[in-house]
Amino acid sequence: KNEVEQSPQNLTAQEGEFITINCSYSVGISALHWLQQHPGGGIVSLFMLSSGKKKHGRLIATINIQEKHSSLHITASHPRDSAVYICAVYPNFGNEKLTFGTGTRLTIIP
Amino acid sequence: GAVVSQHPSWVICKSGTSVKIECRSLDFQATTMFWYRQFPKQSLMLMATSNEGSKATYEQGVEKDKFLINHASLTLSTLTVTSAHPEDSSFYICSARGAGGRDTQYFGPGTRLTVL
Repeated sequence: KNEVEQSPQNLTAQEGEFITINCSYSVGISALHWLQQHPGGGIVSLFMLSSGKKKHGRLIATINIQEKHSSLHITASHPRDSAVYICAVYPNFGNEKLTFGTGTRLTIIP
Repeated sequence: GAVVSQHPSWVICKSGTSVKIECRSLDFQATTMFWYRQFPKQSLMLMATSNEGSKATYEQGVEKDKFLINHASLTLSTLTVTSAHPEDSSFYICSARGAGGRDTQYFGPGTRLTVL
């Protein structure tokens, strides 16, 4: 079992829909990244958070440390949001390396 | 946010040759840089962690003589794939992080290597 699990693995939605991608992890963490990888391959760091909620434009990320769970929400989704979204955590056990989830492939249909 | 560049963005080479990939942090000093490899439809696999001025720390199973990493300055790290073979064909991504141990990592755009 992976230490970081994402759901769903694949998600197709119509333009304008509200999107939620979930991330659950089994280890204690100090922080969590949400990353976006476009078809060309480049990766953008969307958020890093260790508690509560962060918002940037149409993107919202929340984390519940006690429940070991984070969600990424996209409001008013657009075809340009189509990408792979990756959750990655900094485990508490001393090293400074990210542990990655397997990603959620999002496709927004016009 | 901070910008990390990689060069080249893609490269095709013959089997047996060596290929160098550069990773630069353009607007901040990167104490630590990470090199990842990604196969199609798979997640990133950490190859090595490199701190400026010291030897890279390689992950288990990654050949350090095959994948040479140099982090000579706070803004530049290089990955050299030596004597490349077709199985080395992959997407290589670097990321860079500032002085804080759990700071945000900023990722480069990646380099697609194809070995013929």
